[in-house]
Amino acid sequence: EPEVTQTPSHQVTQMGQEVILRCVPISNHLYFYWYRQILGQKVEFLVSFYNNEISEKSEIFDDQFSVERPDGSNFTLKIRSTKLEDSAMYFCASTGQGETQYFGPGTRLLVL
Amino acid sequence: GENVEQHPSTLSVQEGDSAVIKCTYSDSASNYFPWYKQELGKRPQLIIDIRSNVGEKKDQRIAVTLNKTAKHFSLHITETQPEDSAVYFCAASKGGSARQLTFGSGTQLTVLP
Repeated sequence: EPEVTQTPSHQVTQMGQEVILRCVPISNHLYFYWYRQILGQKVEFLVSFYNNEISEKSEIFDDQFSVERPDGSNFTLKIRSTKLEDSAMYFCASTGQGETQYFGPGTRLLVL
Repeated sequence: GENVEQHPSTLSVQEGDSAVIKCTYSDSASNYFPWYKQELGKRPQLIIDIRSNVGEKKDQRIAVTLNKTAKHFSLHITETQPEDSAVYFCAASKGGSARQLTFGSGTQLTVLP
């Protein structure tokens, strides 16, 4: 069964550095999402993306965040200048024609 | 925006007993309600979902009920097994394919052998 994949699985960075989190959604899916989950807390929506543009974004998704689909398979989340509070698990998800969102395994980001 | 409340935060049951987790939502426009199971360090995995035109849906030992008037929905797991132990999240969205999911705070279910 096809799955969403994400790289890296873990990322450690210094505060103020830029990070790029990568996702490969399920082939032929058209809608892509980023969520984050701070340790022990609920999953929070960041942004949704369709037809090469942002569909919705939350208050968390400020100017420090950006998303891109650089080619036909990858979907990336960039954090320009990381803060301590950006430490979290970041999940990518994708949706086909239906509403079911399939989540990737996540990237655990630690900002020191 | 949408707000989803989930209770209880922790739930322990004996193997073979039933478990019930409840969620309420605030936005009457929400019409899609999935439930995800998340094992420690793993991705959330969809276990069942329900749309607002349906009051109940069942899949083997798992069922979900929806009360649109009261704006609440519940997950029922019967004949619980140790492998059901995980964190369960409810979520709500306005539906369609590009709609954000708003998650509840999660329920840590422990099934005691």
